[in-house]
Amino acid sequence: GIQVEQSPPDLILQEGANSTLRCNFSDSVNNLQWFHQNPWGQLINLFYIPSGTKQNGRLSATTVATERYSLLYISSSQTTDSGVYFCAVRNTGFQKLVFGTGTRLLVSP
Amino acid sequence: DAGVIQSPRHEVTEMGQEVTLRCKPISGHDYLFWYRQTMMRGLELLIYFNNNVPIDDSGMPEDRFSAKMPNASFSTLKIQPSEPRDSAVYFCASRPTGRSIGANVLTFGAGSRLTVL
Repeated sequence: GIQVEQSPPDLILQEGANSTLRCNFSDSVNNLQWFHQNPWGQLINLFYIPSGTKQNGRLSATTVATERYSLLYISSSQTTDSGVYFCAVRNTGFQKLVFGTGTRLLVSP
Repeated sequence: DAGVIQSPRHEVTEMGQEVTLRCKPISGHDYLFWYRQTMMRGLELLIYFNNNVPIDDSGMPEDRFSAKMPNASFSTLKIQPSEPRDSAVYFCASRPTGRSIGANVLTFGAGSRLTVL
């Protein structure tokens, strides 16, 4: 099946810093989503971005489908950004979303 | 909309007992997914339904696990008998069919944290 790798596995930031999270995938996809799992365990969808660039406040994401990677940018990080960020992809012709192993982010005040 | 509703939020049981987890998807969503999250294996898909019909159960770990969707607004995941290695957070998620962007976005419930002693 499709493989999804995320880097870095862990990231510690000072409040106000910027960061870039990366997601590499092994096959062509027609669906890519970024999720944030907060410290209470809730999974929240951040972006649906199979290609191109989107922005939502301090967060933005870019997917280069032809090169099989996606990037999530967090600017001016806040303590509430802490948690685990997952990339999830879906192969063309399939319905199941496959999750990466996540990037654990800790933003300290 | 109240979102995807899961119950119970926490369950502690003893090995050998039957466990039933419940999920109410978002109204109008005709895809329903059950995921399991553990430290060792991350988030893995167990089974998914389309229009109440199980489509792919290849992720169900073994015969002790079963899932049903008797109608569009209710699904259960049952473990019988439970074992300590089943301890995990079980998530239910749903999405609609269609060509809109919303049709591609998965909405998760809050999860059911299961501990088997």
